[in-house]
Amino acid sequence: EPEVTQTPSHQVTQMGQEVILRCVPISNHLYFYWYRQILGQKVEFLVSFYNNEISEKSEIFDDQFSVERPDGSNFTLKIRSTKLEDSAMYFCASRAPGLRNEKLFFGSGTQLSVL
Amino acid sequence: KNEVEQSPQNLTAQEGEFITINCSYSVGISALHWLQQHPGGGIVSLFMLSSGKKKHGRLIATINIQEKHSSLHITASHPRDSAVYICAVRVLGYGNKLVFGAGTILRVKS
Repeated sequence: EPEVTQTPSHQVTQMGQEVILRCVPISNHLYFYWYRQILGQKVEFLVSFYNNEISEKSEIFDDQFSVERPDGSNFTLKIRSTKLEDSAMYFCASRAPGLRNEKLFFGSGTQLSVL
Repeated sequence: KNEVEQSPQNLTAQEGEFITINCSYSVGISALHWLQQHPGGGIVSLFMLSSGKKKHGRLIATINIQEKHSSLHITASHPRDSAVYICAVRVLGYGNKLVFGAGTILRVKS
């Protein structure tokens, strides 16, 4: 089965530093998502991206966050100035176009630790 | 108030048992997803439902839109089914946003 690939699997950073989390969605997919899961808590929606722009974002997705699809294959999440509370597992997901193709394919996640 | 509630929170079963995990939601939805999260953290989509029932192998998912309730059943459970099962709903009027339940931790003993 095709896979969504995320890199790195683990990222440790100092508070205030910028991080970029990378995702390679499945090649014919057009809808892309970022979710996060703080340890011991529910998965939370961050942002959805379609047609090279953000289609929806949550209250969590403030000005410190940005997403980009720089080259037609990668989908990145940037956190400009990390805070301790940004420590979480970040999941990328994608799905194919069409109303019948609602199955989401998730990457294996990037564990971000902010020290 | 949580928009998505799952029960039970924890479930331990003996191999071979029939398992039911429940999900209730309080909002209008366009779709409901059942997801499986393995101990390593990876998430796999099991089903997407907007009505009725779906079956895949030993897994069956049902949804009752009027009662705002969905169930995930596992027949002939096996230790490899041990995982966290998460219900997530796509809320009407909120486009692509999914709201997640807290998950049910399932442990199947051999």
